[in-house]
Amino acid sequence: AQTVTQSQPEMSVQEAETVTLSCTYDTSESNYYLFWYKQPPSRQMILVIRQEAYKQQNATENRFSVNFQKAAKSFSLKISDSQLGDTAMYFCAFMKAGGGTSYGKLTFGQGTILTVHP
Amino acid sequence: KAGVTQTPRYLIKTRGQQVTLSCSPISGHRSVSWYQQTPGQGLQFLFEYFSETQRNKGNFPGRFSGRQFSNSRSEMNVSTLELGDSALYLCASSPGTSGTAGDTQYFGPGTRLTVL
Repeated sequence: AQTVTQSQPEMSVQEAETVTLSCTYDTSESNYYLFWYKQPPSRQMILVIRQEAYKQQNATENRFSVNFQKAAKSFSLKISDSQLGDTAMYFCAFMKAGGGTSYGKLTFGQGTILTVHP
Repeated sequence: KAGVTQTPRYLIKTRGQQVTLSCSPISGHRSVSWYQQTPGQGLQFLFEYFSETQRNKGNFPGRFSGRQFSNSRSEMNVSTLELGDSALYLCASSPGTSGTAGDTQYFGPGTRLTVL
């Protein structure tokens, strides 16, 4: 079974600064997908970024980028130029590739609460 | 395109009752997954449906069941409610057209269930 660990329960950052959220995972699979989702106080889960494990290039999406280290099983999220609207709970998630017990199943970490201060 | 919708948004039930939650996926999406979110257990996978068939199931008791209709809308049912079933129930849709796992899931706003 896969496990996802987010070791930082809470983090805070000043507006316009950069912050990095950590995520490690444990799997014996070689092909899989990794995601970061944010859940603001409204509770609506929103996709931040997606990474395919077979791609060595780190995914980026505007101010959000990841540092994907496959050998270390690490998948950190960097938020640049933090904005007040980035305040949310951030979840790291894993999905095994293939069929069967992979279908539709995201395995989530426990989340990191990020607060952006003005 | 309209996003994933879930109804109702809030529910209050008493122990022993049953409840049905509904999820309408993004137009064209054929896969629907359900998750339970609680402060203690976090986000846990319940099950996934594709083309009216359950393809995957998490580790939940048989009181939790679901189904999917031909228009891809999905319902989940919880029978004989327990206090511990109080949670935010999230559904997520994805295209499901690749034939394998890996599609990005898009989430609805959730249904907050309170069991008294």
